[in-house]
Amino acid sequence: GDSVTQTEGQVTVSESKSLIINCTYSTTSIAYPNLFWYVRYPGEGLQLLLKVITAGQKGSSRGFEATYNKETTSFHLQKASVQESDSAVYYCALGDLRSSGSWQLIFGSGTQLTVMP
Amino acid sequence: EAAVTQSPRSKVAVTGGKVTLSCHQTNNHDYMYWYRQDTGHGLRLIHYSYVADSTEKGDIPDGYKASRPSQENFSLILELASLSQTAVYFCASSDRNQAPLFGEGTRLSVL
Repeated sequence: GDSVTQTEGQVTVSESKSLIINCTYSTTSIAYPNLFWYVRYPGEGLQLLLKVITAGQKGSSRGFEATYNKETTSFHLQKASVQESDSAVYYCALGDLRSSGSWQLIFGSGTQLTVMP
Repeated sequence: EAAVTQSPRSKVAVTGGKVTLSCHQTNNHDYMYWYRQDTGHGLRLIHYSYVADSTEKGDIPDGYKASRPSQENFSLILELASLSQTAVYFCASSDRNQAPLFGEGTRLSVL
């Protein structure tokens, strides 16, 4: 089957320090995986943070970056210098755009990031 | 501005009661989805729809029904709510050119 594994539970980082949240995926059914990072800020819904559809490419948004590595089946999320406002839950997702036009998304369990001042 | 709006934002229901969660999108998207999230787990797909008056089963449809009366509206129905259905429910919409946009979630507690 298809699955996504990401850094579990909670991560606490001091403001201005660097961050990496690990994400690896496994798929037996998706020929051309798309990879996503979604974020949920306190009191808000899930927002798309970044998306990469081609292996080898890097996506970036709000200072975050993630590179789609097909060889290691990874899509780690990184930021060079975090801010308190980055405190949120981050979800890695594996996606397949079906011929019907609908999206199939497989989510990781989420990583709660807390940035300490 | 593109939006997916869910109502209610939170609900407490009794075991065996009927619960309806509503979702409205203003994105003109053909596809709509219902997911549930349990603490410490990722989102899982319950039902989805690609056109009004039609719904499809997702990965975990048991115990849930869905209704898509119009392109803009998509409801999730729990005919006989159970304790195991306590979770946060997310609605989303998408089209071929855009990844799913999610609502703010509905926190459901079944007592």
